[in-house]
Amino acid sequence: TQLLEQSPQFLSIQEGENLTVYCNSSSVFSSLQWYRQEPGEGPVLLVTVVTGGEVKKLKRLTFQFGDARKDSSLHITAAQPGDTGLYLCAGVGRSGTSYGKLTFGQGTILTVHP
Amino acid sequence: NAGVTQTPKFQVLKTGQSMTLQCAQDMNHNSMYWYRQDPGMGLRLIYYSASEGTTDKGEVPNGYNVSRLNKREFSLRLESAAPSQTSVYFCASTKTGGSFLSGNTIYFGEGSWLTVV
Repeated sequence: TQLLEQSPQFLSIQEGENLTVYCNSSSVFSSLQWYRQEPGEGPVLLVTVVTGGEVKKLKRLTFQFGDARKDSSLHITAAQPGDTGLYLCAGVGRSGTSYGKLTFGQGTILTVHP
Repeated sequence: NAGVTQTPKFQVLKTGQSMTLQCAQDMNHNSMYWYRQDPGMGLRLIYYSASEGTTDKGEVPNGYNVSRLNKREFSLRLESAAPSQTSVYFCASTKTGGSFLSGNTIYFGEGSWLTVV
């Protein structure tokens, strides 16, 4: 079973601050996805990173896939209250029983205070 | 734009009772999934149906059964509910079957909150 460890589990910051969420594993993934989930709703896909070292930007959000494709990070610049939510990473397995399957991290709850 | 629709939204069950969670998608997707979400544990796959007429176990299938009624509908049944099944349940769907290697995008419903007392 492939495990994805997210850190921190909880993050409480003030509007305007920067933050980084990490997603780490000892396993290599074919690709890595990031989701955002708001209270009372299901997760929504933000981005998929596929190539080792890849960096993708989505407005104030920057996603990076590690060179070895075992880890990823999400960096938010100048956080806003609207960024509040649960952020989930999910890896697509590339071998064995996890081949082609999606494994989720435990999530990071972000609260941005006005 | 309904997407994935789950019912009921909230349910309280007594230990030993049975119930069925219903899910329907209107995106003409081939694959459907049931996940459970517990604090600190992310989303765990219970069962999935890669295509109409097939179902397979996921990571945590014990205590659950599923039925792929047709291409649109995928139900999850708890035959004898236990307090350990208290959770938020999400139905999801993808266009193509089973594997996420091809860059499948998964669409989730809004969740069903189940409490077993």
